[in-house]
Amino acid sequence: DGGITQSPKYLFRKEGQNVTLSCEQNLNHDAMYWYRQDPGQGLRLIYYSQIVNDFQKGDIAEGYSVSREKKESFPLTVTSAQKNPTAFYLCASSSQRTGGERYEQYFGPGTRLTVT
Amino acid sequence: ELKVEQNPLFLSMQEGKNYTIYCNYSTTSDRLYWYRQDPGKSLESLFVLLSNGAVKQEGRLMASLDTKARLSTLHITAAVHDLSATYFCAVVNGGATNKLIFGTGTLLAVQP
Repeated sequence: DGGITQSPKYLFRKEGQNVTLSCEQNLNHDAMYWYRQDPGQGLRLIYYSQIVNDFQKGDIAEGYSVSREKKESFPLTVTSAQKNPTAFYLCASSSQRTGGERYEQYFGPGTRLTVT
Repeated sequence: ELKVEQNPLFLSMQEGKNYTIYCNYSTTSDRLYWYRQDPGKSLESLFVLLSNGAVKQEGRLMASLDTKARLSTLHITAAVHDLSATYFCAVVNGGATNKLIFGTGTLLAVQP
């Protein structure tokens, strides 16, 4: 089955520790995205990547870092510099090829991060 | 800069009633997406609207797109409790990035 997986589903960390969230897709999509969602709020874009070895900052990139060494994988590191890291993190991917599904984003199940 | 606004932000409605959620966007785009999010869950794709006048229907939900008015609507017919969720619209931000810009979301609560 094609899809996007995120792990872990729940993550608990102490303040001051870096933590890495995993995102893998087998949809052969070129573009991948990381969003943050706070309770009762919409989605805020953290980083996105349209091609391997290239990525761009989104609206709230401070305190986060990413890498895109493989097409299938786009891990997100939440660093100790992120002041309020507790949130629900969603990864998505999309195809850039022409056609009906172009740009439509498919979402992973999410990782809920709690930092105390 | 593309902005996407939804209204209402919160909608409480009774089962059996009809209602419409509106999605306005500020610059030209010919692709609009509707997503559903259940509490604590991820986003699920509902509709993809690709051209002016496009209309898609699935069960009690019907979505339409008017690119000239920069408006999409999500119409709910004879609401049932299972439709309770948050609904997001998203518009392609053209140019080099082609990111999706999401609306603020509409929290729909269907009361028995």
